[in-house]
Amino acid sequence: QKEVEQDPGPLSVPEGAIVSLNCTYSNSAFQYFMWYRQYSRKGPELLMYTYSSGNKEDGRFTAQVDKSSKYISLFIRDSQPSDSATYLCAMTPQGAQKLVFGQGTRLTINP
Amino acid sequence: GAGVSQSPSNKVTEKGKDVELRCDPISGHTALYWYRQSLGQGLEFLIYFQGNSAPDKSGLPSDRFSAERTGGSVSTLTIQRTQQEDSAVYLCASTSRRGGVGELFFGEGSRLTVL
Repeated sequence: QKEVEQDPGPLSVPEGAIVSLNCTYSNSAFQYFMWYRQYSRKGPELLMYTYSSGNKEDGRFTAQVDKSSKYISLFIRDSQPSDSATYLCAMTPQGAQKLVFGQGTRLTINP
Repeated sequence: GAGVSQSPSNKVTEKGKDVELRCDPISGHTALYWYRQSLGQGLEFLIYFQGNSAPDKSGLPSDRFSAERTGGSVSTLTIQRTQQEDSAVYLCASTSRRGGVGELFFGEGSRLTVL
């Protein structure tokens, strides 16, 4: 079993929809949680960064962490075609030197 | 340059040949990472450098894989006697953080195809 599980999709939704992307994990030591966005044939880039449990909002994006359930989510409101990309969750324990990534979910927003 | 630079962007090789992949991190970034991305597998950690030292090389799949970093800057990932299962995108990332990971800045990757 992988330390981080993420549904690879693909996920296709109409423009303007609310998108929910999720990851589960097994390592209770994970403290830092991130979402990276990767456009086709590009490197991943950091989208959201949260510490421990709770919510964090940035424009149309909201990241949620539920450590009791070992479950994290990324919500995208008013989705746009430019949001079409692969979304990777990533996490790490405090003081660790490497990120553990999920498999990535390929998302397509249809105009 | 402003970002992480990787070369070659694409490499096609025959099974059994050796390949070298190069990474130029962001200037001043002390930490450098290599990850491998296979279809549907997400990013798989290979090795981490702090300066020229590699405190964690636990992700290297076999002794055919090696990496080095010189001058606290450029890194080279070498794959000897390539196999078809080595086909993947090899991503390099750098960061300025010493304690903990922080934000990783990725290059666009080197796409390796082993025939």
